[in-house]
Amino acid sequence: SFVLTQPPSLSVAPGQTARISCGGNNIGTKSVHWDQQKPGQAPVLVISYNSDRPSGIPERFSGSNSENTATLTISRVEAGDEADYYCQVWDSSSDHWVFGGGTKLTVL
Amino acid sequence: QVRLLQSGAEVKKPGSSVKVSCKSSGGTFSSYAISWVRQAPGQGLEWMGGIIPMFGPSKYAQKYQGRVTITADKSTFTVYMELSSLRSEDTAVYYCARSGGSVDTPMYNWGQGTPVTVSS
Repeated sequence: SFVLTQPPSLSVAPGQTARISCGGNNIGTKSVHWDQQKPGQAPVLVISYNSDRPSGIPERFSGSNSENTATLTISRVEAGDEADYYCQVWDSSSDHWVFGGGTKLTVL
Repeated sequence: QVRLLQSGAEVKKPGSSVKVSCKSSGGTFSSYAISWVRQAPGQGLEWMGGIIPMFGPSKYAQKYQGRVTITADKSTFTVYMELSSLRSEDTAVYYCARSGGSVDTPMYNWGQGTPVTVSS
């Protein structure tokens, strides 16, 4: 089964840039999607297909994917961005969704 | 605007079953996939399976094969997830989520979650 590896935590000061990585074997050949989950709330899709922003997601959120690492970038971080972030891919070899372990973003 | 409304919290005994519903409003129901994702306390997200109501047969994660059943009632725009042989490790929040036209497309809309507690 495909494995996605994320750092457990990341701390960033307001106004700075947060980069959250998602590692996987040749993940660059897959479509990566990112979800944001605030405490006590359901997840929200913030990036689809590596770099697309769903309607209503601020332009500060962007994504990239190459070789063995996908990255979610949040520019000009705000207090309201504090949340857990999960990457996910469809593993066609086992026909199921795989989620990364999640990264807790703390805004200092 | 698509909305997914899930049934309320459940408390179950070990060995019993739970059936959680997910009612869709807004948008087209039958031709979009609905997945079920669970989250144990303090843990990450885990996909259990999904269905496209128009086509019926569901996909299941291997871990839950034989224990989970996902069905759809097109007349009420509702998808159900039933998990049997419950054990304490099944204590979690269960989410439904709507994708595009197939289960392997991203989950654009999520339900509010249904807490399920398994305890004797």
